[in-house]
Amino acid sequence: DAGVIQSPRHEVTEMGQEVTLRCKPISGHDYLFWYRQTMMRGLELLIYFNNNVPIDDSGMPEDRFSAKMPNASFSTLKIQPSEPRDSAVYFCASRDRGGRQPQHFGDGTRLSIL
Amino acid sequence: DAKTTQPNSMESNEEEPVHLPCNHSTISGTDYIHWYRQLPSQGPEYVIHGLTSNVNNRMASLAIAEDRKSSTLILHRATLRDAAVYYCILGLFSGYALNFGKGTSLLVTP
Repeated sequence: DAGVIQSPRHEVTEMGQEVTLRCKPISGHDYLFWYRQTMMRGLELLIYFNNNVPIDDSGMPEDRFSAKMPNASFSTLKIQPSEPRDSAVYFCASRDRGGRQPQHFGDGTRLSIL
Repeated sequence: DAKTTQPNSMESNEEEPVHLPCNHSTISGTDYIHWYRQLPSQGPEYVIHGLTSNVNNRMASLAIAEDRKSSTLILHRATLRDAAVYYCILGLFSGYALNFGKGTSLLVTP
């Protein structure tokens, strides 16, 4: 079975550029989560969706970050303009609606802003 | 939010059992205990979860203290592939985010 698919795996760009990270959740999963991992702050939740609707975006650092889920099989996390402090590994996760289901994570996008 | 306390690191020999402790003295009655692990350069991976009773699955066992203020993840025979950061997380299941702490970095030596 295909797991959560993230693209690109690595992104290097210059400060001020727009960055778009993509995620394809596991088919049939109702919840989608975006996390960010840095050495200083560890893994932290940015936003999560339920049935394509954003439920909690309190972890989004500032207005430069935006996330969308136009359909059940695709989500994007956009940073515009990017800054060096946005450098991190960004993970997407999804989970099924039923009962006590765990979250399934992708392999992440390693983002470096120069 | 209830907090967890885990040792920063632990070391084990290959093919020996590993007991990873987690303290959660402020756990609420509805909090599940979740364990995830993160192998190098990968996303976190679900290991096991429990509420009150001990749990077993193909990956590990979870022993929960009677007062639920602590728990232990047990890897019955550590392999080199089990070297990872192990996270003990409290919380509900339904859609809620996982609050990852620092975790325990497990080193497995041949």
